[in-house]
Amino acid sequence: DAGVIQSPRHEVTEMGQEVTLRCKPISGHDYLFWYRQTMMRGLELLIYFNNNVPIDDSGMPEDRFSAKMPNASFSTLKIQPSEPRDSAVYFCASSPPGRKLFFGSGTQLSVL
Amino acid sequence: DAKTTQPPSMDCAEGRAANLPCNHSTISGNEYVYWYRQIHSQGPQYIIHGLKNNETNEMASLIITEDRKSSTLILPHATLRDTAVYYCIVRVIGGNEKLTFGTGTRLTIIP
Repeated sequence: DAGVIQSPRHEVTEMGQEVTLRCKPISGHDYLFWYRQTMMRGLELLIYFNNNVPIDDSGMPEDRFSAKMPNASFSTLKIQPSEPRDSAVYFCASSPPGRKLFFGSGTQLSVL
Repeated sequence: DAKTTQPPSMDCAEGRAANLPCNHSTISGNEYVYWYRQIHSQGPQYIIHGLKNNETNEMASLIITEDRKSSTLILPHATLRDTAVYYCIVRVIGGNEKLTFGTGTRLTIIP
């Protein structure tokens, strides 16, 4: 298995633009997580899904952020409009129930 | 989930055992202790987890005190590739699946 696949690896955009981050979880994993990492705030859980259904989105910073999981093999995290303070590394992770999380390599987002 | 406390940084000589402590004094009976690490610019990587018995795998050993209020992760023969941030996390199994990361311990292996 190729592991959790995220794309793009790097994204540079201008303030106000829409940004879409993508994640393909490991096949057979029921849970999918989106995290954000910054120097100031560390690793923060944004949202997680179980069987494609959002379970806890309490970490989503504001309405500019949205996440979807249309099927078991794909999820997106969208920021519209983007702001410089959204600059961070965004990680996606997946896991079977009650088991360890497998993380992707992350997307480095820079909003200018 | 219970809060954990870890030293912000530690050094260890290459080839020696690295012992990383973690306090979780408010841990509940149904909470496991998990350890992950994050090597620079990579996603976190699972190391080991346990409930109350000591655990060992190919990466590390986990020693949990009898009262479960603290634990120690042991890397038996540290190499330069073990330089990373190590996170101790307490997590309920069978309940909320979310994994909440603290600030961790930055371990530096000295040649």
